[in-house]
Amino acid sequence: QKEVEQDPGPLSVPEGAIVSLNCTYSNSAFQYFMWYRQYSRKGPELLMYTYSSGNKEDGRFTAQVDKSSKYISLFIRDSQPSDSATYLCATYSSASKIIFGSGTRLSIRP
Amino acid sequence: ETGVTQTPRHLVMGMTNKKSLKCEQHLGHNAMYWYKQSAKKPLELMFVYNFKEQTENNSVPSRFSPECPNSSHLFLHLHTLQPEDSALYLCASSQTGNTEAFFGQGTRLTVV
Repeated sequence: QKEVEQDPGPLSVPEGAIVSLNCTYSNSAFQYFMWYRQYSRKGPELLMYTYSSGNKEDGRFTAQVDKSSKYISLFIRDSQPSDSATYLCATYSSASKIIFGSGTRLSIRP
Repeated sequence: ETGVTQTPRHLVMGMTNKKSLKCEQHLGHNAMYWYKQSAKKPLELMFVYNFKEQTENNSVPSRFSPECPNSSHLFLHLHTLQPEDSALYLCASSQTGNTEAFFGQGTRLTVV
């Protein structure tokens, strides 16, 4: 079983829609969860991180962790064409070891 | 610009060639990483260096040889690669114990 699993998409939605991106993870010991965004021909950049369970909001983005079901989500409200990118979920498993999902390619249609 | 610079951006090499990828970080971090990104696969952690010492080798074939002369520079030496090694190779850095990694733009490697 992969440590972090993510639906690769692609996902295409119209501008203004609410986007839901999801991952599952296997190890209940994981505590830190991150979402990275990767634009074409660029390296990933950290978008948000959360610790343990709960929600974290930053503008149009909300990260959610449900440790009971080992499920992490990223919601994007009022999606914009500039949000088109690949979104990677990740978790921090031990000293300096970050494990990534395969990434979901998102396209926002104008 | 994230503070992590990778060169070259693109590299085409034959299976018998020897080449090196370079990574430099200007963020004062003490941990550096090599990741491999192939189409439709998760980012694969290859190597981790903390304070110039290799702390992780994720069962990477010996045709990939990392070198970390100091905390700011990281190299990946390549020799006798296979076509399946074609991928985007990403370098990242962080402070040890910090969850945020900063990535370079990557080197797009094609092995012919």
